[in-house]
Amino acid sequence: AQSVAQPEDQVNVAEGNPLTVKCTYSVSGNPYLFWYVQYPNRGLQFLLKYITGDNLVKGSYGFEAEFNKSQTSFHLKKPSALVSDSALYFCAVRDPPYSSASKIIFGSGTRLSIRP
Amino acid sequence: EADIYQTPRYLVIGTGKKITLECSQTMGHDKMYWYQQDPGMELHLIHYSYGVNSTEKGDLSSESTVSRIRTEHFPLTLESARPSHTSQYLCASTPSPTISNYGYTFGSGTRLTVV
Repeated sequence: AQSVAQPEDQVNVAEGNPLTVKCTYSVSGNPYLFWYVQYPNRGLQFLLKYITGDNLVKGSYGFEAEFNKSQTSFHLKKPSALVSDSALYFCAVRDPPYSSASKIIFGSGTRLSIRP
Repeated sequence: EADIYQTPRYLVIGTGKKITLECSQTMGHDKMYWYQQDPGMELHLIHYSYGVNSTEKGDLSSESTVSRIRTEHFPLTLESARPSHTSQYLCASTPSPTISNYGYTFGSGTRLTVV
C-alpha cells in the first residue's frame, strides 16, 4: 500500500523567511502526490498536486512543492512566509495509483506556525 | 468556493441521542467520503461511496452508518451517540473515473460534542 510520512508535528518560522514542510512517500510505481491545507475550524483545501512532468509544482497561495524521486520526498515550500500561512498541512498520496477505485491516503499533518 | 455543504457546523448533544450529519454536493461527483478528525490531528477514513447505493467502511472502525440514495447526498448517522464520538467529521467528494487530476473537495466539517 502507498503511504506518506510527515516527520515534523510542528514547524515554526518567522514571517518573511522561507518555509519547508517535509513529506516522504512510499509507493510502488509512479506516485500521485498532493498537499492540502486546513485552517482552524475548516475543511481541507487542495493546494497542489504532482502527477507527472516537472519536479517543481506550483500551487495556491504562493506555495510550491518539489518532487524528488531519489529521496522519495515531496516537500512543500514557500520563499517568504506570511502569518496567514499558519495552519495544518497534510501531504497525501493516491492509493493505488492507477485504479479508478483508489482513495487518497493522508499523512499525519504538520502544524505550521508563522510568528510576526 | 467549494460546492460541498455540511450541516450542522457545530452540534452538542446528549448521550444516547440519534443524530444525522448531513453532507451534500452540487458538483455531480460520484465518489464521496467521510473522515473523522480529532482537533489538529490526522484524518481517519470511516466511510466512502463510489455511487448511488454503494457504501463501504473505511480504515477506521466506526459505529456510524451511511447511506447513498442520491448522488448529491451522503448522510452519516449515529443511532446512539456517546462521548467517544466527540470529534470533527469531514465530508469530501471527487468525480469519477479518476481522482488523479482533481484530488478531493472538502466540506467545512461538523464539530460534534456528545455530553
